[in-house]
Amino acid sequence: DIQMTQSPSSLSASVGDRVTITCRASQGISNYLAWYQQKPGKVPKLLIYAASTLQSGVPSRFSGSGSGTDFTLTISSLQPEDVATYYCQKYNSAPWAFGQGTKVEIK
Amino acid sequence: QVQLVQSGAEVKKPGSSVKVSCKASGGTFSSYAISWVRQAPGQGLEWMGRIIPILGIANYAQKFQGRVTITADKSTSTAYMELSSLRSEDTAVYYCARDVVVVPAPFDYWGQGTLVTVSS
Repeated sequence: DIQMTQSPSSLSASVGDRVTITCRASQGISNYLAWYQQKPGKVPKLLIYAASTLQSGVPSRFSGSGSGTDFTLTISSLQPEDVATYYCQKYNSAPWAFGQGTKVEIK
Repeated sequence: QVQLVQSGAEVKKPGSSVKVSCKASGGTFSSYAISWVRQAPGQGLEWMGRIIPILGIANYAQKFQGRVTITADKSTSTAYMELSSLRSEDTAVYYCARDVVVVPAPFDYWGQGTLVTVSS
């Protein structure tokens, strides 16, 4: 099975900072990569799919890039409401594996 | 407006089974697949399995093979996840989530989650 590995596992940044989270697949998955945001006590929310396509309603400060095995989620200017755990997910085929998550906090 | 509404919280004894439901509304049930994802306290998301209701075909994560059964009732647009031989490590929030069948797609709608507590 393909494994998804995120880094870092957590980060702390200041409001307005640029934040980057990396996700690596153990085998190529083309661009079948999604990013989800989960705020504390809430349901996961789809942010980005097809590696770089923003889901409707998601602020433009979020962006995604990558293809094959290496992917990146970027928050261009961190806001207090972005405090959450972010997960990548492969969805090209079963099993629909998630990364272990990256917890983003405000410094 | 698409909604996935799950059944309520459950408390189960070790060794027993639990069955969680996920009722879909606002979309065409036959056009989608339903996955089940769980999240243990303080832990990440873990995909358990998926069913394509129109075909009645389910596949499961290897970790849960033999212990989980996912079914769907097209007449009520409801999917079910039954987990057997429960142990304390199965204490988690269980989510259902929807994706499109015809092409690979992410989970665009999620249920509200069902807390299953396994305790003696």
